[in-house]
Amino acid sequence: QVQLVESGGGLVKPGGSLRLSCAASGFTFSDSYMTWIRQAPGKGLEWVSYITSTSRYTNYPDSVKGRFTISRDNAQNSLYLQMNGLRAEDTAVYYCARAGYSNYLDYWGLGTLVTVSS
Amino acid sequence: EIVMTQSPATLSVSPGERATLSCRASQSVSNNLAWYQQKPGQAPRLLIYGASTGATGIPARFSGSGSGTEFTLTISSLQSEDFAVYYCQQYHNWPLTFGPGTTVDIK
Repeated sequence: QVQLVESGGGLVKPGGSLRLSCAASGFTFSDSYMTWIRQAPGKGLEWVSYITSTSRYTNYPDSVKGRFTISRDNAQNSLYLQMNGLRAEDTAVYYCARAGYSNYLDYWGLGTLVTVSS
Repeated sequence: EIVMTQSPATLSVSPGERATLSCRASQSVSNNLAWYQQKPGQAPRLLIYGASTGATGIPARFSGSGSGTEFTLTISSLQSEDFAVYYCQQYHNWPLTFGPGTTVDIK
């Protein structure tokens, strides 16, 4: 069955960096478009980044553009999110999710918590 | 950016009753609209995509309708496991955006 397992979350100081990972299994990762979505404590969902299957195209919302970088390693069935210049407002559970044919999100991981605090 | 709104914020329903949730887009998203269910401490789960197509394994009591700017998720007969938060999401334009959610709780 499809599994997405995030890791790498934790406590980091404002201005710090963190790299999240997502291990994928149960589907053809190399053919799949992938995203990161986050959810601040008690809040709704926010799209954070997107990458095509070959990494040719990436996209970000203005809230993280220039600070976050999405990447992937198809040989390792892994997705990554490099987060730099972290702010308190980046505190959230970060989910990796597979983007379906038209960018609806058909499979989600369980998430990893990132806390930005001094 | 397309802004998604959902109503009501909270819907109190008795088990076995019908629930109707609304989602509105600030501009047309055609039928590029998905619905998700999220239970406490869990990841969201895809229910509906293409405004009206049920995702794999989703019970038939969940149905979606609408196009353009107005959408509806209907749960025909609420079961205990359906009490959760429901989000709509548009994937017509970048950035992908979600509604603020509707909480369905027990009346």
